[in-house]
Parts: sequence; structure tokens; C-alpha cells
Amino acid sequence: IAGITQAPTSQILAAGRRMTLRCTQDMRHNAMYWYRQDLGLGLRLIHYSNTAGTTGKGEVPDGYSVSRANTDDFPLTLASAVPSQTSVYFCASSDFSGSSYNEQFFGPGTRLTVL
Amino acid sequence: QKEVEQNSGPLSVPEGAIASLNCTYSDRGSQSFFWYRQYSGKSPELIMFIYSNGDKEDGRFTAQLNKASQYVSLLIRVSQPSDSATYLCAVNRRAIIQGAQKLVFGQGTRLTINP
Repeated sequence: IAGITQAPTSQILAAGRRMTLRCTQDMRHNAMYWYRQDLGLGLRLIHYSNTAGTTGKGEVPDGYSVSRANTDDFPLTLASAVPSQTSVYFCASSDFSGSSYNEQFFGPGTRLTVL
Repeated sequence: QKEVEQNSGPLSVPEGAIASLNCTYSDRGSQSFFWYRQYSGKSPELIMFIYSNGDKEDGRFTAQLNKASQYVSLLIRVSQPSDSATYLCAVNRRAIIQGAQKLVFGQGTRLTINP
């Protein structure tokens, strides 16, 4: 079944530890995104990538890094986790057709707790 | 002022009635507007998008856009208990990098349809 997978589903992490959230899509979409969702704040864009080899910062990039070595994978790394990074993380992807209204498809999310 | 604002609710509507969800945005350069539905514990899924002033209808859903007043709304007709979810308004800013679509989300409105 085509779509986006994320791993792990959930994780409890000690502060100061390094953590990589994985995201893989099989729709051959050119653009991929990482969001965090916090109660009362909605979804906020962390980083995005328009194509393999190119990434950009979103609204809340501090403390996070991404890479895009190929079309399908877009891992998000927390170099040294802090409790304020406790959140639900969603990966998304979209195709590019030259318009400004392409649907973003979301993965199932990763629930991360930093203690 | 938040870039995209929604009433967080909860909004309670009797079954069969019309549910009206509203969203305002601050960036006049915004090009397209999206409504996502998110069931509790699930990922967001696109319901509708709109980019021209006026109404756009899709089944029981109607999106309305007024760029002069900078608001977008979603009407759900003949509402059903299965419509109970959080509805997220998202606005597409002009992408810095071609191909990626930087969506800014509101905090979401929680809708409950009462049988």
C-alpha cells in the first residue's frame, strides 16, 4: 500500500540523548516535510525538502536537523533532546505539479517524550 | 497575532445541522487554503482546498474564501457523528524553494456532532 511510514511509533527518551525519527514514502513525491504538533499550537513546520539534496528551515528548526539523501527517505535528528521537544511528530510529502495547492499526505506520526 | 487563527472550540452541533468552521489569516500574499480533518490519535487528512474567492462545494462540504477580509470557512451540511474531529485550517505561503509548499496551520477547531 502506497503511503508514508514513520518509525518508531512512540519513544521515551532521556534528555541529552540523540534520536533519529525515520520517515519513508513510496509515492515518489519530490517534497517532504517534518511537523510537530503540540496541544493548542497546531502543526508547526520544522524542516522541509523540495528534492533530494536540498533542505530548508521551517518555523521551529532549532534543535533539529534533516537530510535528504534520496527521494524516499527524510530522517529528522534531535542531536541532544530536551523536554520541550516532547511532541507528536508528523512527516508529510507532496508532489510538485507547478501549482500552489498540492495535497500534503501525512504519515501516522511518532509520539516522542523527552524526560 | 498568529498568522492563522481558528477558534479552538469545542464546537458542538446537533446531528443533521450545519457545522460552520472559521479561519482568519494575516498574510495577504497567501495563495491557497486547505482544510484538514484529524481524528483523535490519527494523522491529518485533506478535505478540501480553495484558492479563488467564493465558494467551492464537494459533497456535504463547502469551503468559502474571502481574500479581502482574509478569512476562509468550512461548512459541513447534514452533519454526522462521524464528522466529529479536529479541523485544521492551513494556508500556503509563497514557497521559498520551488516545489516545496510551506503550509502554516491554525491551532484547529474541535468539532463534536451530537446524535
